[in-house]
Amino acid sequence: EAQVTQNPRYLITVTGKKLTVTCSQNMNHEYMSWYRQDPGLGLRQIYYSMNVEVTDKGDVPEGYKVSRKEKRNFPLILESPSPNQTSLYFCASSLWTGDEQYFGPGTRLTVT
Amino acid sequence: GQQVMQIPQYQHVQEGEDFTTYCNSSTTLSNIQWYKQRPGGHPVFLIQLVKSGEVKKQKRLTFQFGEAKKNSSLHITATQTTDVGTYFCAGYSDAGNNRKLIWGLGTSLAVNP
Repeated sequence: EAQVTQNPRYLITVTGKKLTVTCSQNMNHEYMSWYRQDPGLGLRQIYYSMNVEVTDKGDVPEGYKVSRKEKRNFPLILESPSPNQTSLYFCASSLWTGDEQYFGPGTRLTVT
Repeated sequence: GQQVMQIPQYQHVQEGEDFTTYCNSSTTLSNIQWYKQRPGGHPVFLIQLVKSGEVKKQKRLTFQFGEAKKNSSLHITATQTTDVGTYFCAGYSDAGNNRKLIWGLGTSLAVNP
């Protein structure tokens, strides 16, 4: 089944404790992206990647890192999480930039 | 900066009534996509419009892309409770060398049975 998977689905952590949210797609998509969703603010792009080893900042990249070492995986790294990073995070992929995006199920992160 | 304004923010209808959400961009878009997010779910792609003046239909849903490629609408005829969710538009802007997807903030639809 074609899908985007994210892990974990829920995470409660403390300020400053490094964490990684994994994202994987099995559709051989070139483009992958991370979004955060907060009430009243819609979907805001954090980082995106148009190809392996190519990543770029989205609208809200501060406090986040990503890597794209292989086509199928695009992990999101929070080196030192803070409470303002409490949010719902979505990973998405598409065949090319501009194509329809397939979203993962989301990761709800709480930083205390 | 580049923006896509989506209105209304919320809409509450009786089942069977029609519903329309509008997106207006400050810049010309190369294409526009529509997504639906059910409560507790993730955004799911509905459709993409590319041509000026394009109209596409999916059962009770009608999507339009304006002649100037700056606005778009989604119209649902005779809403059902299964239509509940948040509808997002997202447009690609080719301004400069930066091809960027700009999201509207979404319209949340509630349907009274």
